[in-house]
Amino acid sequence: EAQVTQNPRYLITVTGKKLTVTCSQNMNHEYMSWYRQDPGLGLRQIYYSMNVEVTDKGDVPEGYKVSRKEKRNFPLILESPSPNQTSLYFCASSLTALRGTQYFGPGTRLLVL
Amino acid sequence: DAKTTQPTSMDCAEGRAANLPCNHSTISGNEYVYWYRQIHSQGPQYIIHGLKNNETNEMASLIITEDRKSSTLILPHATLRDTAVYYCIVRVGGGNKLVFGAGTILRVKS
Repeated sequence: EAQVTQNPRYLITVTGKKLTVTCSQNMNHEYMSWYRQDPGLGLRQIYYSMNVEVTDKGDVPEGYKVSRKEKRNFPLILESPSPNQTSLYFCASSLTALRGTQYFGPGTRLLVL
Repeated sequence: DAKTTQPTSMDCAEGRAANLPCNHSTISGNEYVYWYRQIHSQGPQYIIHGLKNNETNEMASLIITEDRKSSTLILPHATLRDTAVYYCIVRVGGGNKLVFGAGTILRVKS
């Protein structure tokens, strides 16, 4: 089944403790992206990747890192999480940046205490 | 990307057609109309998209006016599971950043 998976689905952590949220897609998509969703602010793009080893900042990249060493994986790294990063996170992928619809993962709900 | 305007919320009776409008008066010639929905904090789900012509798939139909300044998403026989937030997005074709507005909360009632 074609899908985007994220792990973990739920995470509670404390300020400053590094964490990684994994994202994987099995559709051979070139383009991958991370969004966060907050009440009243909608979905906002954090980082995106056009292809392996090509990443760029979205609208709200501060406090986040990403890497794209393989086509299928696009992990989101929070080096030193803070409470304002408490949010619902979605990974998405599409065939390319210019072609194909975007498919979303199930989401990761993060609480930073 | 062009701005879109959608009603804040709509109700629909189960089994009836749900017609969700979207205004995009500043759309340009190469911009597509995309529809996504999000069911209770799940990942947004692609529904349908179109450029000029009306489109239909297994989930819905998309009617785009001739001047392309507005469109309507039609769920032909709404079920309770169609209760969700529906987003109309106008953008140049392809997968890059999607800009989600507030969307329309559709409540399907039995």
